[in-house]
Amino acid sequence: DIQMTQSPSSLSASVGDRVAITCRASQSIDNYLNWYQQKPGKAPKLLIYAVSSLQTGVPSRFSGSGSGTYFTLTISCLQPEDFATYYCQQSHSTPLTFGGGTKVEIK
Amino acid sequence: EVQLVESGGGLVQPGGSLRLSCAASGFAFSTYWMHWVRQVPGKGLVWVSRINTGGSDTNYADSVKGRFTISRDNAKNTLYLQMNSLRADDTAVYYCASGCLGTNCHKYWGQGTVVTVSS
Repeated sequence: DIQMTQSPSSLSASVGDRVAITCRASQSIDNYLNWYQQKPGKAPKLLIYAVSSLQTGVPSRFSGSGSGTYFTLTISCLQPEDFATYYCQQSHSTPLTFGGGTKVEIK
Repeated sequence: EVQLVESGGGLVQPGGSLRLSCAASGFAFSTYWMHWVRQVPGKGLVWVSRINTGGSDTNYADSVKGRFTISRDNAKNTLYLQMNSLRADDTAVYYCASGCLGTNCHKYWGQGTVVTVSS
């Protein structure tokens, strides 16, 4: 199975900050890397698919980059509604696997 | 409006069975692969199973293989998860999620249904 390691597991930031979350795969996953946002008590929401493609309706302050085994989700200017938990996911091969999550909290 | 509505969750004893359903509307259900993903409250997301558009190809996480069966009825726009030989560690919120057209991801998600396995 492909292991996905996210870091940090949590971070505190202020509105307006630039935030970066990293995700490392245990083997190359080409461009099969997705990012989801989840708020408490809610279902996850797709933010970015295939490393860097922004899902329709997702603000442009979210961006994704990377290749092979190392990927990054960047939020360029943190907004109040961005405080949530973020998960990466590899969809290169089954079992599809998620990272452990990064909780973004208000400083 | 796209909707995925799960049902069938509840409290079941260890060794028991449950059948989850996920009713889809607002999108072309029959053209999407479909998935089940679960989450223990306070913990991370875990992929459980997926099924192709026609229902002929399925995959499972090792933890549920041989106990869970995914299926779909495209005429009814409904996805199912038959769960047998349930264990305490199957306790979780179960989400149904669509795939994505042209790539592998989960575009649409249901609100989740809670499964509790306890005596």
